[in-house]
Amino acid sequence: DTGVSQDPRHKITKRGQNVTFRCDPISEHNRLYWYRQTLGQGPEFLTYFQNEAQLEKSRLLSDRFSAERPKGSFSTLEIQRTEQGDSAMYLCASSLLAGIRETQYFGPGTRLLVL
Amino acid sequence: DAKTTQPTSMDCAEGRAANLPCNHSTISGNEYVYWYRQIHSQGPQYIIHGLKNNETNEMASLIITEDRKSSTLILPHATLRDTAVYYCIVSRLGIIQGAQKLVFGQGTRLTINP
Repeated sequence: DTGVSQDPRHKITKRGQNVTFRCDPISEHNRLYWYRQTLGQGPEFLTYFQNEAQLEKSRLLSDRFSAERPKGSFSTLEIQRTEQGDSAMYLCASSLLAGIRETQYFGPGTRLLVL
Repeated sequence: DAKTTQPTSMDCAEGRAANLPCNHSTISGNEYVYWYRQIHSQGPQYIIHGLKNNETNEMASLIITEDRKSSTLILPHATLRDTAVYYCIVSRLGIIQGAQKLVFGQGTRLTINP
């Protein structure tokens, strides 16, 4: 199965620490999305990349958050100076924009707990 | 993107068809109806999508009303593994210079009972 993979699956950290998550999209998918899901809620859009370019960021993404997608392949999401409110599931999705057709496929997520 | 309305929860007996309704009365002409599901502690799983014609794949069938203001996802023979939260999402087609920002609501929590 060559679906979207995310690493780590779980992360526990102390408030104030930095954390980094990795997402490997489906091969040849040109778009990559990050979403955040808090307990009892549906996922919320954070940011997306078309190839290596980060084209849009949600206002949910404070300046403590940064995302990269070097060479248009895997992506990383870093949270600096974590806060307890950052505790959530961080989901990555990838898609292939072909003409106007697009379907996003999600990874298993990284569950973050900030103590 | 248009908002959707789904029942909070539903139950279905194993082996029976599960019919999950969704209202999207403000859908516009360039918006598709997508269905995803999320099994506990996993990422959302794509199920099916459609524009105005009924669609069927190996997982489910999607019935969209003629006025496109509502739709029904049908799982023909539900199993215990179909227990999940099902999200109905209305989204524009892919845009060359714009994100397809999926807007997830609360979804329907479907429980399949033995």
